[in-house]
Amino acid sequence: QQQVKQSPQSLIVQKGGISIINCAYENTAFDYFPWYQQFPGKGPALLIAIRPDVSEKKEGRFTISFNKSAKQFSLHIMDSQPGDSATYFCAPGTGGFKTIFGAGTRLFVKA
Amino acid sequence: KAGVTQTPRYLIKTRGQQVTLSCSPISGHRSVSWYQQTPGQGLQFLFEYFSETQRNKGNFPGRFSGRQFSNSRSEMNVSTLELGDSALYLCASNPTPGSYNEQFFGPGTRLTVL
Repeated sequence: QQQVKQSPQSLIVQKGGISIINCAYENTAFDYFPWYQQFPGKGPALLIAIRPDVSEKKEGRFTISFNKSAKQFSLHIMDSQPGDSATYFCAPGTGGFKTIFGAGTRLFVKA
Repeated sequence: KAGVTQTPRYLIKTRGQQVTLSCSPISGHRSVSWYQQTPGQGLQFLFEYFSETQRNKGNFPGRFSGRQFSNSRSEMNVSTLELGDSALYLCASNPTPGSYNEQFFGPGTRLTVL
């Protein structure tokens, strides 16, 4: 089921640069748009999430941009740091449906 | 507050065997979900339990089953193991069902089927 398409699969960014990860979805019933971060040997952890009543949410260096008409949302990591090197998953869902995770983006930030 | 715990952390089995994995959610959380994570298929939803009842189920064969106990602890069972069942099995807990809430993941059980 290709309900969620995440891109790119992998990303290499220089320290201090901007990392951008995109997520496209098909189900218009989705109304909760989180990004999870996973480090090797650990389970995913919620990084930041947005509801569709706003187009952007910022928490520190992390920003979600949401485009309802295009059915897309993006994660922007400003001033990327080596400690941000991890796998990132988008996971749109609704209160009544099971969460569907994107395929993941492996981010590597070069020091 | 203790996080989600999963036991065992690592497991090696052979084809045809069966396996049971355990998950203890965060205290007070009543919803538990299970996921299979593989390099090729990513994170795939297995099932969700709330108040000892299966609430949602993913597209996995009947060899995969689960249950939840009255204390919210959950187990999943895989019977007649196949090589393709080798994966990281993740458990996540929520205070209540539904994906509006942050899912708190455990560290996972790494299952290897030989």
